[in-house]
Amino acid sequence: EDQVTQSPEALRLQEGESSSLNCSYTVSGLRGLFWYRQDPGKGPEFLFTLYSAGEEKEKERLKATLTKKESFLHITAPKPEDSATYLCAVQASSGGGADGLTFGKGTHLIIQP
Amino acid sequence: EPEVTQTPSHQVTQMGQEVILRCVPISNHLYFYWYRQILGQKVEFLVSFYNNEISEKSEIFDDQFSVERPDGSNFTLKIRSTKLEDSAMYFCASSGILGWRGYTFGSGTRLTVV
Repeated sequence: EDQVTQSPEALRLQEGESSSLNCSYTVSGLRGLFWYRQDPGKGPEFLFTLYSAGEEKEKERLKATLTKKESFLHITAPKPEDSATYLCAVQASSGGGADGLTFGKGTHLIIQP
Repeated sequence: EPEVTQTPSHQVTQMGQEVILRCVPISNHLYFYWYRQILGQKVEFLVSFYNNEISEKSEIFDDQFSVERPDGSNFTLKIRSTKLEDSAMYFCASSGILGWRGYTFGSGTRLTVV
C-alpha cells in the first residue's frame, strides 16, 4: 500500500526565516511526486511534479527536491502570504495515467510578520 | 488561467437523500477525478474517469457512488442514500493528455449531511 508521511504537522516561522518541509513516501514504483498548496476552504493548488531522484524544481521562494525515499520543500525567506497547508502526494507507476494520488496529511505553515 | 468549476459550493442534505455534485473540468482535459477530504483529514482519492468510463476507483467508491459525464462539459458525482459520514469537502480535478503530470483541482463542494 502506498504511504505518504509529512513532517512537521505544523510549523510557525518568522517572516524571512527559511526552513524545509519533509515528505517521506513508500510506493511500489513512483510515477510522480506532487506538491500542492491548500488554503482554508479551497482546493489544492498545484506547485510541482517531480519524477526521478535528484530532480529539483523552483518557483519563487519554493524549491522542491526528490530522493528515492523522500522529498523536501524548501522555503526561502518566506512571507506571510506563504502561510498555507502544503500537501505532498504520490502516484504509483503500476497503473495507467488516470491513477489516483495518495496524499499525506500536510504541513500547516504559518509565517508571522 | 483555466479553472475547474464546482457547484454548489455548499450543500446541506438530510440523511438518506440523494445528492449530485457538479463539476465543469478544463475544456481540453481528458482525465477527470473526484476526491474527498473529511474535516481535518487527508485528501482521499475516490474515482478517475477517462474515455467515458471509470478508469480506477478506491475502496471508498462503493455502490453508493456513481459518476457520469452527461455532456461534453459536465462531470457529476452522485451519492445515493447519504449518511452522516459522507459529510466532507468533495473536490473535482482534471488533467490533460499526460494525466500523471499533475491535476488542476476545483474549489470544492462542502457537503453537510444532517
